[in-house]
Amino acid sequence: QVQLVESGGGLVKPGGSLRLSCAASGFTFSDYYMSWIRQAPGKGLEWVSYISSSGSTIYYADSVKGRFTISRDNAKNSLYLQMNSLRAEDTAVYYCARETGAVTPFDYWGQGTLVTVSS
Amino acid sequence: DIQMTQSPSSLSASVGDRVTITCRASQSISSYLNWYQQKPGKAPKLLIYAASSLQSGVPSRFSGSGSGTDFTLTISSLQPEDFATYYCQQSYSTPVTFGQGTRLEIK
Repeated sequence: QVQLVESGGGLVKPGGSLRLSCAASGFTFSDYYMSWIRQAPGKGLEWVSYISSSGSTIYYADSVKGRFTISRDNAKNSLYLQMNSLRAEDTAVYYCARETGAVTPFDYWGQGTLVTVSS
Repeated sequence: DIQMTQSPSSLSASVGDRVTITCRASQSISSYLNWYQQKPGKAPKLLIYAASSLQSGVPSRFSGSGSGTDFTLTISSLQPEDFATYYCQQSYSTPVTFGQGTRLEIK
């Protein structure tokens, strides 16, 4: 069965860095586009970043552009999000999610990992 | 960016009720509209994609309709496990955007 398992969250000071990982299993990872989506405590869903199946196409939300970097290692069935210059407003649960293509829904989500940015 | 507006923001209903949630896009998104259900502490779950297609394994009491800018999610007969928050999402253009959510509560 499809599984997405995020890790790497935690408490970090403003201005700090964190790297999230998402381990995929149960499907051919290299066939799928992947995204990171976040949810601040008690708030709605915000798309963060997207990477195509080959890694050749990448998009970011304006709120994270220049600070976050998405990447993937298809040989390791893994998705990553490098987060630099973290701010209090980046505090959220971060989910990785699978898409079949560029205009398709997120059909599987991980359980999420909590990132807290606080001094 | 395309703005997605859901109504109502919250809703109280009873088991067995028929419930409709509305989602409006700030511009036409054809049928690139998806609906998700989220329970507390859990990841969102895809219910409906492409406005009206039922995701595999989702009960048939859930249905979606609409195209262009106006969409609805209908639950024909509420079950206890349906009390959750529902989000619409447009996948027409990047950045994909979500509605603010509709919290469905037990009356």
